[in-house]
Amino acid sequence: EAGVTQFPSHSVIEKGQTVTLRCDPISGHDNLYWYRRVMGKEIKFLLHFVKESKQDESGMPNNRFLAERTGGTYSTLKVQPAELEDSGVYFCASSQAHRGRETQYFGPGTRLLVL
Amino acid sequence: AQSVTQPDIHITVSEGASLELRCNYSYGATPYLFWYVQSPGQGLQLLLKYFSGDTLVQGIKGFEAEFKRSQSSFNLRKPSVHWSDAAEYFCAVGARAGGTSYGKLTFGQGTILTVHP
Repeated sequence: EAGVTQFPSHSVIEKGQTVTLRCDPISGHDNLYWYRRVMGKEIKFLLHFVKESKQDESGMPNNRFLAERTGGTYSTLKVQPAELEDSGVYFCASSQAHRGRETQYFGPGTRLLVL
Repeated sequence: AQSVTQPDIHITVSEGASLELRCNYSYGATPYLFWYVQSPGQGLQLLLKYFSGDTLVQGIKGFEAEFKRSQSSFNLRKPSVHWSDAAEYFCAVGARAGGTSYGKLTFGQGTILTVHP
């Protein structure tokens, strides 16, 4: 069974540009999470999808970030326009639906550098 | 709000020595607890988890952790460290159902483990 995949693995863009990160969860997993680790800081929650619906987006830093989950399958996270402080590693995780009592499986992350 | 503290940013041990990584949490109820490991260039891999029941939890790669409610701790241990254990380790608390924020993980700052031959 394939794990969580993320694309691209690395992205280097200039301030003001747009970047779109993609996450493909494990097949059959209804829960999809996005997290971010800014250098030197802890990994922080961004948002949570249940199927195609946003369950919790309390961690999204501002309206430059837009997340979607098409048909309850893969998800994209768009940053527009990117700022220097958006640099970091963006992780995606998925789990089966057990309302909290669940194991999240993480992807390898996308390393974003904004210059 | 829930929080996790890993007091040690960096730990160095010799190969074959025992290891204990500390984790303290703050949560309003009995938490769901996790340890993840990230090797260089890799994603996060689950080592072990605690949901309920036996407070001593066994994980992969010979790791174990003990949930101590009285100390709000969930320390990770390994009796004999291997060079391949060098990585960054993360303790996390998971939110229980009951609100809209169930499932999301709150992580500690991470502990980098260096293993000397």
